[in-house]
Amino acid sequence: GIQVEQSPPDLILQEGANSTLRCNFSDSVNNLQWFHQNPWGQLINLFYIPSGTKQNGRLSATTVATERYSLLYISSSQTTDSGVYFCAAIRYGNNRLAFGKGNQVVVIP
Amino acid sequence: GAVVSQHPSRVICKSGTSVKIECRSLDFQATTMFWYRQFPKQSLMLMATSNEGSKATYEQGVEKDKFLINHASLTLSTLTVTSAHPEDSSFYICSARDWGTSGRGTQRRTQYFGPGTRLLVL
Repeated sequence: GIQVEQSPPDLILQEGANSTLRCNFSDSVNNLQWFHQNPWGQLINLFYIPSGTKQNGRLSATTVATERYSLLYISSSQTTDSGVYFCAAIRYGNNRLAFGKGNQVVVIP
Repeated sequence: GAVVSQHPSRVICKSGTSVKIECRSLDFQATTMFWYRQFPKQSLMLMATSNEGSKATYEQGVEKDKFLINHASLTLSTLTVTSAHPEDSSFYICSARDWGTSGRGTQRRTQYFGPGTRLLVL
């Protein structure tokens, strides 16, 4: 199946800083999503972004499908941004969403 | 966006009992639902794909007799952990995609997740 790799695995940020999370995937995809898992375990949909760029408030994401990577940008980070960010993708011809290992982000005041 | 509910949110049971977890798509129809499990500090691992009106497809290494899946309607899938043992303790999360015409284009391809069920087997 498709391999999804995320980096960095752990990130500590000062409140107000910007950061970039990276997701590499091993095959062509027809679905790529970014999630934020909150402390209670709920996966919050951030972006559906198999290609292109999207923005939602302080978050934005870019997927370059031809080069098989996606980036999640967090600007002006806040303590509520802490948690694990997951990238997940579905390979063309497949039906299953495969997850990366996540980026553990801690924002300190 | 679309909403997926899961019940119960937390369950503690004795070893040897069976536990049923329900997953519902509240505002869309889901011909396919997915069940994941997550251990502490780890990623989500797909257990099975649940197809409405047919048998579930299990991932390699997942015991279908241990984890019974029923997808009786377009809005409900259930996972039953039979004869649960302490090693079955985990966080179980269901997911669904909106394949219908009720949602707009992007929503129809986005996969939504329930809030999860924490299972502790004593």
